[in-house]
Amino acid sequence: TQLLEQSPQFLSIQEGENLTVYCNSSSVFSSLQWYRQEPGEGPVLLVTVVTGGEVKKLKRLTFQFGDARKDSSLHITAAQTGDTGLYLCAGESGGGADGLTFGKGTHLIIQP
Amino acid sequence: DTAVSQTPKYLVTQMGNDKSIKCEQNLGHDTMYWYKQDSKKFLKIMFSYNNKELIINETVPNRFSPKSPDKAHLNLHINSLELGDSAVYFCASSQGVRGTEAFFGQGTRLTVV
Repeated sequence: TQLLEQSPQFLSIQEGENLTVYCNSSSVFSSLQWYRQEPGEGPVLLVTVVTGGEVKKLKRLTFQFGDARKDSSLHITAAQTGDTGLYLCAGESGGGADGLTFGKGTHLIIQP
Repeated sequence: DTAVSQTPKYLVTQMGNDKSIKCEQNLGHDTMYWYKQDSKKFLKIMFSYNNKELIINETVPNRFSPKSPDKAHLNLHINSLELGDSAVYFCASSQGVRGTEAFFGQGTRLTVV
């Protein structure tokens, strides 16, 4: 069974600070996705990384896929209160129809 | 228009009952899934269907039976409900190709009392 270890599980920081969330595995994934989930809603995709070493930027969010495609990170610069939420990393091991293996999530709170 | 819709949003029922959750997607995707999210927000895949055929069944008790009448629908029927079945169940769909986005429904919060 493939596992994704996500850390930290909880993070509370002040507005304006930077933070990094990590997602690690001993298994290789064909792609790695990051989702954000709001209370009472389903997860919504933020980004997909498919190539080892790939870096993608989405405004203040920077996503990186490890060279060996076993790990990923999400870095937020100058966090804002609107960034508060549950962040989930998810790995694909097969061709896509096999579904996603999720990490346990990072509950992020940005305090004003 | 809602891309992936599931009903009901909330379901409270007694132990031993049988219940169904319905899911429909209007995205034209070939692949649909059921995920279970526990009280600690951990999401785990239960089933994957591609073109109405079962692809993945992740060690789910056989009290859970998915049914896909067509590509746009994947329903979940649960027999003899147990307290431990209480969770949020999410339906999702995707193109079933590596790296493509999974679109999730709003979830069904099932509470077994």
